[in-house]
Amino acid sequence: AQTVTQSQPEMSVQEAETVTLSCTYDTSESDYYLFWYKQPPSRQMILVIRQEAYKQQNATENRFSVNFQKAAKSFSLKISDSQLGDAAMYFCAYRIPILTGGGNKLTFGTGTQLKVEL
Amino acid sequence: DAGVTQSPTHLIKTRGQQVTLRCSPISGHKSVSWYQQVLGQGPQFIFQYYEKEERGRGNFPDRFSARQFPNYSSELNVNALLLGDSALYLCASSLVGVEETQYFGPGTRLLVL
Repeated sequence: AQTVTQSQPEMSVQEAETVTLSCTYDTSESDYYLFWYKQPPSRQMILVIRQEAYKQQNATENRFSVNFQKAAKSFSLKISDSQLGDAAMYFCAYRIPILTGGGNKLTFGTGTQLKVEL
Repeated sequence: DAGVTQSPTHLIKTRGQQVTLRCSPISGHKSVSWYQQVLGQGPQFIFQYYEKEERGRGNFPDRFSARQFPNYSSELNVNALLLGDSALYLCASSLVGVEETQYFGPGTRLLVL
């Protein structure tokens, strides 16, 4: 079965500091996409960053970057210069094709609750 | 540009009733996916539709059904509601193709009493 594991239920970081959220996944697919989504208390799921599995270069979006280790099936998210607005639940997900039907689906981890402290 | 919209935002039903949730995708997106998020868990895939056809179905009972309309909006129907159907139902839209990225709406919170 394809799974996504986020082993840190909660993390805390001081404002302006750096924090890394961990994610590992298990898939037999060779072509897939990885995502980090943020879900604040408003419950809206917001895309943070995306990584194509065929690309060796790690994705970066402003203060957010990933460390993608394909062989280890690891996909961690680094948040630099943390801000109060970064406080949210963070979900790691990967997208694989649906063999019958031709669609795609996201499989999510259980999430990491990030707290940002003054 | 407007994002994904969902209606209603909140809904309270009783066991055995039926519910219909609605979703409008981002303009230009032709694919809609539905997810169920139970409190404290990550979203679980229910359906994906594009071009009005079901392209994928998750591990949900036949009480769950969906459809997509010519304007690419979608409805999710759940029959014979159970207490365990209480959840946040998320709709996501995307372009179709290799570069597909799913963008989520604000969700509909369903409470079954």
